[in-house]
Amino acid sequence: EVQLVESGGGLVQPGESLRLSCAASGFTFSTYWMHWVRQAPGKGLVWVSRIKGDGSSTGYADSVKGRFTISRDNAKNTLYLQMNSLRAEDTAVYYCAREQYVNGWTDSFDIWGQGTMVTVSS
Amino acid sequence: EIVLTQSPATLSLSPGERATLSCRASQSVSNYLAWYQQKPGQAPRLLIYDASNRATGIPARFSGSGSGTDFTLTISSLEPEDFAVYYCQQRSNWPPTFGQGTRVEIK
Repeated sequence: EVQLVESGGGLVQPGESLRLSCAASGFTFSTYWMHWVRQAPGKGLVWVSRIKGDGSSTGYADSVKGRFTISRDNAKNTLYLQMNSLRAEDTAVYYCAREQYVNGWTDSFDIWGQGTMVTVSS
Repeated sequence: EIVLTQSPATLSLSPGERATLSCRASQSVSNYLAWYQQKPGQAPRLLIYDASNRATGIPARFSGSGSGTDFTLTISSLEPEDFAVYYCQQRSNWPPTFGQGTRVEIK
């Protein structure tokens, strides 16, 4: 079964750090672009970051650039999101998602994890 | 950044009825538009990609159409499990962006 399972969320104070993990199974993880998408409570979806299958290329939303770092360990089939200098506005459920490949990369997301909640509050 | 505007915000319908959801882009996205369904407490699920292609395992009652700036998701006959929030997403311009969602609720 193709599956993504996030972990690492929690309650932190403004300015603190947190690292999210996403364990993948059921597919060849190292060949897929992977993404993080977040959703603030009661709000819509916002793309956060992406990383190529071999880790050679990354991208970030302007709102997190310079504070968040995406990475992956293909030997462990795991995706990471290191979040530093957290702000109240980073409070959200964070989903990892696999980019769909259909005759090419589609920049749409066909497999999602269940999400992990990050709360930034003093 | 391309802004996607979904309408209506809420759609109140009965099971068996047809649902028509709209997504309008602030500039052309060609056919690079996807639709997702999200139920409470769950992750989104990909329904449609590249405007009109159903994702794997998606029932035929879901269809997508449109190109350029105007897109439609149609659910031909609502099943009880279809009541949810639906989001559109464009991939034409970086970064990918989502609409604010349309809630389909039971009338």
